[in-house]
Amino acid sequence: AQSVAQPEDQVNVAEGNPLTVKCTYSVSGNPYLFWYVQYPNRGLQFLLKYITGDNLVKGSYGFEAEFNKSQTSFHLKKPSALVSDSALYFCAIESPSSGSARQLTFGSGTQLTVLP
Amino acid sequence: DVKVTQSSRYLVKRTGEKVFLECVQDMDHENMFWYRQDPGLGLRLIYFSYDVKMKEKGDIPEGYSVSREKKERFSLILESASTNQTSMYLCASSTVRLHYEQYFGPGTRLTVT
Repeated sequence: AQSVAQPEDQVNVAEGNPLTVKCTYSVSGNPYLFWYVQYPNRGLQFLLKYITGDNLVKGSYGFEAEFNKSQTSFHLKKPSALVSDSALYFCAIESPSSGSARQLTFGSGTQLTVLP
Repeated sequence: DVKVTQSSRYLVKRTGEKVFLECVQDMDHENMFWYRQDPGLGLRLIYFSYDVKMKEKGDIPEGYSVSREKKERFSLILESASTNQTSMYLCASSTVRLHYEQYFGPGTRLTVT
């Protein structure tokens, strides 16, 4: 079975500072990893994904994430946070080797607040 | 531009009513999903479908049913709504062509009184 953990329910960061939202996973085989963002009363929007290749993945709105196989992590990062980045962030995993290959397993979400 | 639409943004129903939530995608995706989202519980998968007329139970199917008669449309049915089904309902679709990246609709906030 696969699982995703987002160890922090809440992350606060000052505007202009770098931000990190953490994600670790457990899966057999090589995973596909995703980050989504959700603004209040909206659906989830795709930010970026790791499928294969370069461990550093760049996505929308200046976000990036690094796939670290040895630490089973896929942390979301941004060099300089904006107040408008304040939202709920979800990490998700899909394992091509799993029986239910069509599903994503989502983490519990991390609320990011960027303080002006 | 890819698009997943849901029939209502906000819905208020009474206990015991039959409720239909509809989701339509225009991307020719083979997979469609229904989730509910509650504070502190994240996203929980109710049902999903990988083809027309095919469905599989997710983590919390009790009290719900689904229908997929056409590839682009996936309906969630609450046979007899209860107050504990008050929630945000999210529909999504995906395709193997995009490594199962899911595209989400805007959500339906359902209140059962």
